[in-house]
Parts: sequence; structure tokens; C-alpha cells
Amino acid sequence: QVTLKESGPGILQPSHTLSLTCSFSGFSLSTYGMGVSWIRQPSGKGLEWLASIWWNGNTYNNPSLKSRLTVSKDTSNNQAFLKVTSVDTADTATYYCAHTTFYYYDGTYVMDAWGQGASVTVSS
Amino acid sequence: NTVMTQSPTSMFISVGDRVTMNCKASQNVGTNVDWYQQKTGQSPKLLIYGASNRYTGVPDRFTGSGSGTDFTLTISNMQAEDLAVYYCLQYNYNPWTFGGGTKLELK
Repeated sequence: QVTLKESGPGILQPSHTLSLTCSFSGFSLSTYGMGVSWIRQPSGKGLEWLASIWWNGNTYNNPSLKSRLTVSKDTSNNQAFLKVTSVDTADTATYYCAHTTFYYYDGTYVMDAWGQGASVTVSS
Repeated sequence: NTVMTQSPTSMFISVGDRVTMNCKASQNVGTNVDWYQQKTGQSPKLLIYGASNRYTGVPDRFTGSGSGTDFTLTISNMQAEDLAVYYCLQYNYNPWTFGGGTKLELK
């Protein structure tokens, strides 16, 4: 059974760096086709894909965050990380991490297990 | 970016109804579309992948179809537990982009 849980600061000030951790079990980020994606959702609004990191170390980021976003992983400890620099109030949202699988035989991607989400508020 | 436009934004439905919602891509995304269900206060859940493949454990009243730019999610025989917001996602192009969602509410 795949489970994921996000952890983060809860509240942080504008211009600071947001650091989130996704701790997971039930899969390894060293296994072919496995990945972790980050998605955020402002309160009452829709979903925005931020980034994905894959078993082979490849990362894909949403260009809308320009160079503010970094994803990384610690395969040994079953964790993935998201850093967003220079946050402002527009970064206030619930941040989810999701187990993402690449099915090589048909080229599909699925985010088939999600964490409960971590609420992040940017406020002075 | 590939814009995914969902319609309608909300629907008032009754239990037992057949529900159809749409997702239109701003460019051809093949069949690289997933559908997710998000109930109030919960994380999203995968329903359909590759436009038409039902994910493990998803009831067969949920059906996805379409290719290219036009996609549809149909719920036959709507149940109260299906009240939620439904999102489409395209992963054919970077960045992956979600539609704005279709919210199902009871009449």
C-alpha cells in the first residue's frame, strides 16, 4: 500500500524560502517508472501541477514558477523535497505530493496516490 | 501552456442521473489525459487515465472517452457519493495542466 505525507512550516513570511518534505512508503524512488509529483491548490480554487521527480533523477518543473522551484529526493530515506524561494502571498495554498507512475508500455502517467496535503500560509 | 477548459463549471444533479462533463484542450494532447475526483476536504483521487482507462477499483459507472482536443467523463447512474469536483489533466506537454474543474451538486 502506497502512502505519502507532506510536512512543512505551516506559516512563513514573504520573501522567505518554503521547504516541504514528502515522506512515503510502499514504493521506492529508485524503481523504474516511479516518481513523485508536487501539486498545489489555493483555498477554494483549482489544482496546479508544480513539478515531478523521477526514479532516474530527472526533474520537470512548471515554468510559471520560473527558477524559484527546486525538487530533490533522498531515495534511501523514502523522501522527496520541494523548495520554493522568494515566496509571496500568491504561494499560499495546500501543497500535495503524489506517487506518480510512468507506464512505459503505453506512455501514460498517473498520479495514483496522494498525500493529505500540507497547508502553507505566506503572511507577514 | 496547454489550456484545459472544463464545462460546465457546475452541475445540479439528482441521484440516478446520467452525468456528462467535458474537457477541451487548447492543442492536440492525444489520449494523454487523466481524470481526478476531489471530494470536499479530501485529496484528489485518480479515476481515469489515458483518456479512457478506468483505474483499479473505480466503479464501472465512470467512463472516460475522447482524443485529440475533446474529452468526456460520464457518470451513469449518479450516486450521492459521487458528489465532488472533477478535474481533467493533460500530461502530453510540459507543464502538465489541469482544467478548472466541474463541481457536481445536488438539486
